[in-house]
Amino acid sequence: NAGVTQTPKFQVLKTGQSMTLQCAQDMNHEYMSWYRQDPGMGLRLIHYSVGAGITDQGEVPNGYNVSRSTTEDFPLRLLSAAPSQTSVYFCASINFGWTEAFFGQGTRLTVV
Amino acid sequence: QQQVKQSPQSLIVQKGGISIINCAYENTAFDYFPWYQQFPGKGPALLIAIRPDVSEKKEGRFTISFNKSAKQFSLHIMDSQPGDSATYFCAASDGSRLTFGEGTQLTVNP
Repeated sequence: NAGVTQTPKFQVLKTGQSMTLQCAQDMNHEYMSWYRQDPGMGLRLIHYSVGAGITDQGEVPNGYNVSRSTTEDFPLRLLSAAPSQTSVYFCASINFGWTEAFFGQGTRLTVV
Repeated sequence: QQQVKQSPQSLIVQKGGISIINCAYENTAFDYFPWYQQFPGKGPALLIAIRPDVSEKKEGRFTISFNKSAKQFSLHIMDSQPGDSATYFCAASDGSRLTFGEGTQLTVNP
């Protein structure tokens, strides 16, 4: 998807390992957020940011950390991976007027 | 708790028919209501959106109907095509966070 780069695309972790999912956008969007997508549950908000230096928790923040040191980057950190974190993760970037919204291509994470 | 409830979970429509997906919300702070389309293996893509100061918005074959008093909104896909087969999500924003419905898997049979 245009303007949002999300890496990696696939990842397998062992229980207890940590990792960082990267998300970068080049559209100077204020809003960035992380979602996880599980069958039958839609996309659930993990953390979001309304600008550099500002982050807040979403619906399912436990086990995840974020930071937003620049407008462009919004990494998601899994502190100690658990099988319940097996999911597809999407990063989103949205402009101030909410008229532009782009999602990354997703990260399929499996925790064994 | 799901702040945006979406139905049906799945929908099968014949080519040329009308697809209708419904959503309901509780939070009166929501002031922006987009719909997203997602194909397998891809991220969601913004399809059409509405603000509560209008009751209907149409873009091509896609129409959003909005009922502020009932706190409901729906997506209508006219002349549905097999290429429309995808998962559709309604969402709502309060200006800082975007909350999604559970999704509807639409299948349009040729």
